[in-house]
Parts: sequence; structure tokens; C-alpha cells
Amino acid sequence: QQKVQQSPESLSVPEGGMASLNCTSSDRNFQYFWWYRQHSGEGPKALMSIFSDGDKKEGRFTAHLNKASLHVSLHIRDSQPSDSALYFCAATQASSGSWQLIFGSGTQLTVMP
Amino acid sequence: EAAVTQSPRSKVAVTGGKVTLSCHQTNNHDYMYWYRQDTGHGLRLIHYSYVADSTEKGDIPDGYKASRPSQENFSLILELASLSQTAVYFCASRPGLGAETLYFGSGTRLTVL
Repeated sequence: QQKVQQSPESLSVPEGGMASLNCTSSDRNFQYFWWYRQHSGEGPKALMSIFSDGDKKEGRFTAHLNKASLHVSLHIRDSQPSDSALYFCAATQASSGSWQLIFGSGTQLTVMP
Repeated sequence: EAAVTQSPRSKVAVTGGKVTLSCHQTNNHDYMYWYRQDTGHGLRLIHYSYVADSTEKGDIPDGYKASRPSQENFSLILELASLSQTAVYFCASRPGLGAETLYFGSGTRLTVL
């Protein structure tokens, strides 16, 4: 079983709509979470990180972390066609020593003009 | 912004042949990584390195070797390429241990025939 699971696998939203992506960890030791975004033909780029319970907002993007339920989400308001990409949730833990980043399998977001 | 350059961008290899994928970073980062991306599996860690002349195994090292001759350069070597190694390979770097962001290259698409 993957330690970081994402849902849904794919998501379509209309331009201007809200996109909500979910990520659940099966390892309670994971304390630090990132969202990475990958446009077609490019490498993943870090979108935002979240390390504390609650919300973190950066422009149109809001991440929410609930460590008790091992759940992190990403909400994109006013979605734009340029937001169409593969979104990865990633997590790491201090106790691993190597701080290895574990990635989920991704959510493919399509924003329809 | 951190710069990680991979070469070649794409490669076709024959089964049983030797393949070398190269990665160069100009960020002065200590840590470098090789990931493999397959549809449905997200990004999986093959090898990583935290200092020149030393490499460590990741989650899926079988069939791969790595080489870090300098801080800037990190190579992934497939001594006997197999069909199952057809994938997109990403190199990444980060400054050090801790909750640090990974910076990815643009990837190498490898097709083994």
C-alpha cells in the first residue's frame, strides 16, 4: 500500500471554478507535506508546503492540513486553464534520517475553458 | 531559481545495452536524487547522494547504478537496459536535510526496445 494516497485520480472543473484535491498518509510519522505541480513535458515544481495544522493560503491556492486524520488537501479557487496539470502530494518525516520525500500517484487536473 | 539540467531529453535504447543519464545542477546543493515516473505510480526514488563520490540506494535501486563524481554532477547508469525500465527519469536537488524543497530537472524520456 502506498504511504501517500491521492484522490481523485483525475478531476475536471470549469474555468473560474473551485478544484479540490485530497491526500491521505498511512504513516503517522509524516509531519511535513508539499504540493508539487507538473505541467506536461516538464519536471514537477513545488507549489506550496504545509507543516502545521490548519490552512495556508498563497494567492488562489489554499492548503489544509489535519495531522490527527493524516489528511492534507489543496483547494484552487478561480481555476484557470493554465492550472491544468498533474498535482502531486509529497510527505517526509524527520525520523527517517534521510528526510526522504514520498510522493503520491498524482491527481490530473483539467480546467475547461 | 534553482537550476537542474538533464541530458539527453529523450533516448531510445536497445534491450541489454548500456544507458547513462546525466544531471547537472548549478545550485550548490549537497543532495541530489534520481526518480522514476510511471503512470499510476507517481515518483519513485532510485538513488540519491549527499556528497561527491558517495551514493545511496532509494526504494527501487535494482538494475540501476549511480555516480556522483562532483557536487554538480550526478549520473544514472543502466548497465543492461530492460523493457521494464522504459519510463521518464527525473533528477532533483535540494540544499540539505530537513524540510527543504526539491528542485527538479525537465526529465529524460527513456524508451527501451
